[in-house]
Amino acid sequence: DAKTTQPPSMDCAEGRAANLPCNHSTISGNEYVYWYRQIHSQGPQYIIHGLKNNETNEMASLIITEDRKSSTLILPHATLRDTAVYYCIVRSLSGGYQKVTFGTGTKLQVIP
Amino acid sequence: EPEVTQTPSHQVTQMGQEVILRCVPISNHLYFYWYRQILGQKVEFLVSFYNNEISEKSEIFDDQFSVERPDGSNFTLKIRSTKLEDSAMYFCARGDSSTYEQYFGPGTRLTVT
Repeated sequence: DAKTTQPPSMDCAEGRAANLPCNHSTISGNEYVYWYRQIHSQGPQYIIHGLKNNETNEMASLIITEDRKSSTLILPHATLRDTAVYYCIVRSLSGGYQKVTFGTGTKLQVIP
Repeated sequence: EPEVTQTPSHQVTQMGQEVILRCVPISNHLYFYWYRQILGQKVEFLVSFYNNEISEKSEIFDDQFSVERPDGSNFTLKIRSTKLEDSAMYFCARGDSSTYEQYFGPGTRLTVT
């Protein structure tokens, strides 16, 4: 799986949009971009994933650049409960059920 | 769909003792995973388990570790002779059959003294 680069930490004011960037310049054509988050000491939580189109669900939006070398996770109205470590993961789904390889992620602190 | 549940939430054991961590699926799933996270470090993959067989394991998953699904429901991780460095959060995850998503349980905190 391709490597990703994320800033180690970010702050966001409560109620504002949180934009978390991720670089994955070596991504290959069959690899998806996944985002998970981990609230302190809890199990990682799936957020969203995409291949090349932008995606939106009830939790977040995922914007993938046209060349697919970077992406941004957007939490539209951050709350204090969104304080967590956010992991950007590039993952091939050939064979379907491979492990998830976590990096160090971005620690997002939502400030009141 | 909900994640899995794990028991116990916290296990304290002495070095050299055997421990069994349990993962209880909400419904019938085929793919399961164990991960661990040593305090302050990354979440690390241990093993994946499909259809009652190990499908992949990491270097961490040595002979001290084993997994099984003894009664067709609970999925267990056994550490035969615990070491101090086995102290960590252990997370079970299940695989979604249509999206390949992995949904994680709340974890078991293992403390080896």
